[in-house]
Amino acid sequence: EIVLTQSPATLSLSPGERATLSCRASQSVHSYLAWYQQKSGQAPRLLIYDASNRATGIPARFSGSGSGTDFTLTISSLEPEDFAVYYCQQRSSWPPVTFGPGTKVDLK
Amino acid sequence: EVQLVESGGVVVQPGGSLRLSCAASGFTFADYSMHWVRQVPGKGLEWVSLFSWGGDTTYYRDSVRGRFTISRDNSKNSLYLQMSRLRTEDTALYYCARDSGGYGQTNNYFDYWGQGTLVTVSS
Repeated sequence: EIVLTQSPATLSLSPGERATLSCRASQSVHSYLAWYQQKSGQAPRLLIYDASNRATGIPARFSGSGSGTDFTLTISSLEPEDFAVYYCQQRSSWPPVTFGPGTKVDLK
Repeated sequence: EVQLVESGGVVVQPGGSLRLSCAASGFTFADYSMHWVRQVPGKGLEWVSLFSWGGDTTYYRDSVRGRFTISRDNSKNSLYLQMSRLRTEDTALYYCARDSGGYGQTNNYFDYWGQGTLVTVSS
């Protein structure tokens, strides 16, 4: 089973700042990595798939990069609605698909 | 508009059984692979099971294989999860999620999610 680790666990930022979230895989997942956003009390929402492709309706301030074992989700300028928990997920080796433990982006 | 609505979550004793349902609308259900994903409240996400589109291919995580059975009824646009020999560690919010692949493929990304149904296993 591929293990995903995310850092930092918590990122404290202000609106307008840039957020950089990291996801590392225990072995190569090629580019088969997605990012999800989960707000409190809500279901997750797909943001990015295949490492760098924005899902339908996702604003351009969200971008993904990386391949192999190291990936980054960047939010170029935080909006108030972006404060949430972000999860990475791999589909390279399954079953099972696996998720990272999450990074919480909270208000500084 | 794509909608997924889960139901069936309750409090059940260890060793008990339960069936979850997911009613889908707003898309051609038969064309999509469907998943169950669970989340312990306040914790992370854990994939549980997949029912592939177009046939009867199913997959499970190791900890539920042999205890859980995923099924679907395309005539009713519904996905199910039959859970038996429940354990306290099965306590979680169970989400039904659509695979992003669409007709002809399973991508193992989740592009639409329900709001979840809570299963509590406790004596």
